Amino acid sequence: EVQLVQSGAQVKKPGESLKISCKASGHIFTNYWIGWVRQMPGKGLEWMGIVYPGDSETRYSPSFQGQVTISADRSISTAYLQWRSLKASDTAMYYCASETGIKAFDLWGQGSMVIVSS
Amino acid sequence: ETVLTQSPGTLSLSPGERATLSCRASQSISDNYLAWYQQKPGQAPRLLIYRASRRATGIPDRFSGSGSGTDFTLSISRLEPEDVAVYYCQQYGNSPPNNFGQGTKVDIK
Repeated sequence: EVQLVQSGAQVKKPGESLKISCKASGHIFTNYWIGWVRQMPGKGLEWMGIVYPGDSETRYSPSFQGQVTISADRSISTAYLQWRSLKASDTAMYYCASETGIKAFDLWGQGSMVIVSS
Repeated sequence: ETVLTQSPGTLSLSPGERATLSCRASQSISDNYLAWYQQKPGQAPRLLIYRASRRATGIPDRFSGSGSGTDFTLSISRLEPEDVAVYYCQQYGNSPPNNFGQGTKVDIK
């Protein structure tokens, strides 16, 4: 079965670092772009950026450039979203999503909830 | 950066009625790379339509997409209670960011 499985919910304090993961199975991970989408509580979807696992090329939204790092480890078919210093405003649900040949996000993870609170 | 504006914000219809959702882009979308997603409460989004008019795998034929350039439409021919959700459009043809629209909420009267 083709699927993306994300890491579990996290509760962190402001200033802490965090890396969440998205493991792909059932398709050729290195051939397709995989991205991250933020959804703040009660709000819409925000496109953060994408990575091409084949060569690790990344593209970021200007809104998120410098705020997060997107990466991929093709040896374990896993994509990552990382923060060096969390803020309360990073509290959100984060989805990973991939295209599998049609360029649109046709495969989604279940979401990882991140709560940042002192 | 391509900005997508969806209308209306909320659509409240009776079962069996036709729903028409609009998505307007701030500039023409290359190759009509425009997608529509459905997000039900507590769930991840699901792809409905890609390339403006192509239904994704397993999507019922009451969902259809149309449009080109800067103006796109998602239609639900006969609204069912299970269609209650927020619907988002997204462009993926122009340079990143591959923005989403702000969403249209569909309710059943």
